[in-house]
Amino acid sequence: AQSVSQHNHHVILSEAASLELGCNYSYGGTVNLFWYVQYPGQHLQLLLKYFSGDPLVKGIKGFEAEFIKSKFSFNLRKPSVQWSDTAEYFCAVNARGNTGKLIFGQGTTLQVKP
Amino acid sequence: DTAVSQTPKYLVTQMGNDKSIKCEQNLGHDTMYWYKQDSKKFLKIMFSYNNKELIINETVPNRFSPKSPDKAHLNLHINSLELGDSAVYFCASSHGTGYPEKLFFGSGTQLSVL
Repeated sequence: AQSVSQHNHHVILSEAASLELGCNYSYGGTVNLFWYVQYPGQHLQLLLKYFSGDPLVKGIKGFEAEFIKSKFSFNLRKPSVQWSDTAEYFCAVNARGNTGKLIFGQGTTLQVKP
Repeated sequence: DTAVSQTPKYLVTQMGNDKSIKCEQNLGHDTMYWYKQDSKKFLKIMFSYNNKELIINETVPNRFSPKSPDKAHLNLHINSLELGDSAVYFCASSHGTGYPEKLFFGSGTQLSVL
């Protein structure tokens, strides 16, 4: 069965620190990859996605993620976090051939201290 | 205007009761979903409907019955509520069929079964 693992459950950083959140998935075929974010009191929303092409994708608010197929990973990065980045971050995978079924990771709580 | 709205936001009820959660989207999307977020924050898909037709039905107890009167609405009815049903339930929608490029989520319904 497909699964998604996010290794960091709770991350605390100071403003201006660099961020990398890990995401690994288990599926041998072609995948579509996503990061969703939920800011306090707001809806889950799409941060960025990878379907094909350049494995380094850029999303909103300065976030980027790199798809490394050999490592089954899609880590999220930001060079310098801000207090407003405090949120829950969810990695998700949709396997080709599994129409419409998005598998989510457990989520990572990011707390940025001002 | 809220794109995906679900009601109620909070639902506290006794074991054995029957309850419903309503979801409406005003985005003109063809596909709607129900996800359950457990206490460990895993988001798991329960159901997916496309133009009122059920297309994903995960291993969910048959006490859970989705109903889609039209493509803008997907309600979730739960019979004989159990303690283990306590969770946050998210409704979502996406454009078209097949592999969703972006899910739009509601704000969630926190269900507490006492």
